[in-house]
Amino acid sequence: KAGVTQTPRYLIKTRGQQVTLSCSPISGHRSVSWYQQTPGQGLQFLFEYFSETQRNKGNFPGRFSGRQFSNSRSEMNVSTLELGDSALYLCASSQSSGANVLTFGAGSRLTVL
Amino acid sequence: AQSVTQLGSHVSVSEGALVLLRCNYSSSVPPYLFWYVQYPNQGLQLLLKYTTGATLVKGINGFEAEFKKSETSFHLTKPSAHMSDAAEYFCAVSGPDDKIIFGKGTRLHILP
Repeated sequence: KAGVTQTPRYLIKTRGQQVTLSCSPISGHRSVSWYQQTPGQGLQFLFEYFSETQRNKGNFPGRFSGRQFSNSRSEMNVSTLELGDSALYLCASSQSSGANVLTFGAGSRLTVL
Repeated sequence: AQSVTQLGSHVSVSEGALVLLRCNYSSSVPPYLFWYVQYPNQGLQLLLKYTTGATLVKGINGFEAEFKKSETSFHLTKPSAHMSDAAEYFCAVSGPDDKIIFGKGTRLHILP
């Protein structure tokens, strides 16, 4: 079956712009989590959605937001981009939360100039 | 809140030598623990996980990890390193709020 699909894979934005990233989970998976990966900081948890509801949220400013649709697809949005937002944004899906294994997409690499 | 500490951001071992990647965790409840691997330009893949039961967990590609509650550790080992093991490895913990928190990662270099 198809894996986790993230689009776009690469994008370049300038400071002040906004960006929307998309994630299509594995069929049947209802939980989608988002992580920001930067060198030296590893993966930092952004948020998790389950059945269209945000279940958990990390320590990121309100410029970072997300949502999940009824088909479990998820989007995350970053407004008023800053240089420090340059990172690999990883989406992961699982059947539910907690001990379930996360299946990751290949990521969306965002560069902010 | 749960947290993960991986000792050593870079580890180098010779091909054929023992691989040991260290992970210590903090959790207020019995944790679920994971090791993931990331190859260049790819997402993360699960190597192994511990939930309950046997404390020695075997994973893919010859890796294994042992849960030691008294030491709050979950170190990853492989008896004999292969060139294809070169990658970045992440330890992760899931706690009472079901968030899965990752360590900062250890990049494994294999020397010929």
